[in-house]
Amino acid sequence: QVQLQESGPGLVKPSGTLSLTCAVSGGSISSSNWWSWVRQPPGKGLEWIGEIYHSGSTNYNPSLKSRVTISVDKSKNQFSLKLSSVTAADTAVYYCARDRVKTSEGIDYWGQGTLVTVSS
Amino acid sequence: DIQLTQSPSFLSASVGDRVTFTCRASQAISNYLAWYQQKPGKAPKLLIYIASTLQSGVPSRFSGSGSGTEFTLTISSLQPEDFAIYYCQQGNSFPFTFGQGTKLEIK
Repeated sequence: QVQLQESGPGLVKPSGTLSLTCAVSGGSISSSNWWSWVRQPPGKGLEWIGEIYHSGSTNYNPSLKSRVTISVDKSKNQFSLKLSSVTAADTAVYYCARDRVKTSEGIDYWGQGTLVTVSS
Repeated sequence: DIQLTQSPSFLSASVGDRVTFTCRASQAISNYLAWYQQKPGKAPKLLIYIASTLQSGVPSRFSGSGSGTEFTLTISSLQPEDFAIYYCQQGNSFPFTFGQGTKLEIK
C-alpha cells in the first residue's frame, strides 16, 4: 500500500518561497507512475499544480509555471514542490499524490494534505 | 485550458435514493475523465477512471458513463457514508483540470 506524506512549513511570508516535500513509502518513486501536486484553497475546489516522473521530466500548470519547480530525489524516495513569490492567494491545502500508470487516468493515491498559509 | 462544469452544485437526497451527477467538458476529452469523492478534512478518493472503470475497492453502487464532452456519475442507492463532495477531473490534455464540485447533502 503506497503512502505519501507531505512536510514543510505551515506559514510562509508574502513574496517568499513555499517549499514542501512528499515522502513516498510502500512503493518506489522510480515506478512507472508520475507524481503530482494538487492544491485546494480553504473552502474551494482542487487545482492541479504539476507532476514529475522519476527521470525528472515535468509537466506544469501554465498558470503557475513561472513560479513552480517540482523535483525528485530518488535516493530518498521523495519529491518536492517549490512555489516562489507567494501571495495570500497561494494559501491552500497542498496534496502530493501518485498518478495511475497512465497519468491521463487520474490520481489513485493521495497524501493527507498540509495547510500552507501565506501571511506576514 | 479545458473547463469542466459540474451540475448540480448542490444536491439534497435521502439514504436509499438513486442520484446522478453530471460533468460537462468545454471540449472533447475522449474518455479521460475521473471522479473523486472528498469528505471534510480528507484527501480526495478516486472512484472512477476512464469515465466508467471502477477503482479497486470502491462499492459497485458507484458507476460512471459518458465520453466526449458529457459524463455522469451515478450512485444507485445512497448510503450514509456517501454524503460528501464529488469532483470530476479531465486527463485528456494539460493542464489537468477539475470541476468545481457537487456537494451531496442529507435531506
